[in-house]
Amino acid sequence: SAVISQKPSRDICQRGTSLTIQCQVDSQVTMMFWYRQQPGQSLTLIATANQGSEATYESGFVIDKFPISRPNLTFSTLTVSNMSPEDSSIYLCSVPGTSSYEQYFGPGTRLTVT
Amino acid sequence: GDSVTQMEGPVTLSEEAFLTINCTYTATGYPSLFWYVQYPGEGLQLLLKATKADDKGSNKGFEATYRKETTSFHLEKGSVQVSDSAVYFCALSEKDTGRRALTFGSGTRLQVQP
Repeated sequence: SAVISQKPSRDICQRGTSLTIQCQVDSQVTMMFWYRQQPGQSLTLIATANQGSEATYESGFVIDKFPISRPNLTFSTLTVSNMSPEDSSIYLCSVPGTSSYEQYFGPGTRLTVT
Repeated sequence: GDSVTQMEGPVTLSEEAFLTINCTYTATGYPSLFWYVQYPGEGLQLLLKATKADDKGSNKGFEATYRKETTSFHLEKGSVQVSDSAVYFCALSEKDTGRRALTFGSGTRLQVQP
């Protein structure tokens, strides 16, 4: 399975500011995914990021709020813009496995907005 | 659309007790099924998977069988340990549509007491 790292591991931010989360994979992958896990909740897909094309956002998520970059096959960033306390969540990136349609997840970024 | 339904938690068991966490799904195609585990303060780890009907996934003493006729993928373990205390997520991924994103259940918190 791929080794995935995320930075920062956690942060406390003030409302109205933006935070960029980095996701680094130790192998080249076509797709990367960004999920949100609100406190005590399950995971919700934010968007799918393919290298060389615009990210595909799920219903309820928009590019102005969650811009994503995918400059190469091992790296992606997710920005949480103009934050409010409702954005307090764990944000996780993931990549597909080589078979069976499983995914492997990074350790997550725990964001608290005050 | 696709959905996954899990039994609500928390589930509290004594060490060495038998564990069952129910999971049923709705999918338009023929999905792959997964159980993920999230230990306190950590990211998601793939616990086990099954890709076709009657497949049994197993890992670390946990098992789950893909039951197409009942659209279920219940997680079982014969004798739980305190170290199994975590949140368990059932998930699916559609194989037919090419959509690689995972659909998660709401998660079930397991607490094992010594």
